[in-house]
Amino acid sequence: AQKITQTQPGMFVQEKEAVTLDCTYDTSDPSYGLFWYKQPSSGEMIFLIYQGSYDQQNATEGRYSLNFQKARKSANLVISASQLGDSAMYFCAMSYISNFGNEKLTFGTGTRLTIIP
Amino acid sequence: KAGVTQTPRYLIKTRGQQVTLSCSPISGHRSVSWYQQTPGQGLQFLFEYFSETQRNKGNFPGRFSGRQFSNSRSEMNVSTLELGDSALYLCASSSGTSGRPTGELFFGEGSRLTVL
Repeated sequence: AQKITQTQPGMFVQEKEAVTLDCTYDTSDPSYGLFWYKQPSSGEMIFLIYQGSYDQQNATEGRYSLNFQKARKSANLVISASQLGDSAMYFCAMSYISNFGNEKLTFGTGTRLTIIP
Repeated sequence: KAGVTQTPRYLIKTRGQQVTLSCSPISGHRSVSWYQQTPGQGLQFLFEYFSETQRNKGNFPGRFSGRQFSNSRSEMNVSTLELGDSALYLCASSSGTSGRPTGELFFGEGSRLTVL
């Protein structure tokens, strides 16, 4: 079974500092994907970054980077130079192809990030 | 290209009523998945449709159903609403054909259902 663990329910970070959100996963599938989504209070699940299990290099998207350590089964999100608009709930998720052929997501419980001015 | 569109964004119903939510995927995407998000249970998979066929279903009662049309638009229906059905319902769009995780999985803004 697939499982995502986010151990930080909440974090407070000073504006302009870097922040790391932790995520560990468990799966026996060799092929999987790791996502980070941002969910502001409006509810929309905003895609931030994706890492495939076979990707050799860590994914980066602007201020977001994913620190992928396959042996440790961790996929931490790093946000550089945090901004007030980064305050939101952040979900780590793992995708895999189910026995029925669809790409299915398993989500962690999320981390609420608050940026302090 | 246009993103995933969900309607309505907000709705209020009373116990015993039924509700239909709609999701239009990204153009060219044939797979639509539905997720329920509640404070207590987090994000849980409801079901997935591909080419008008349900391919996978989560662990929800039969009151939750869905369908997909030939243009890939999908609807989900909840009958005999209960207070516990109050949630944010999210749909995700993907091509659904690669056979491996691709990262091409995008969500709509969600439909927030309140049951009184």
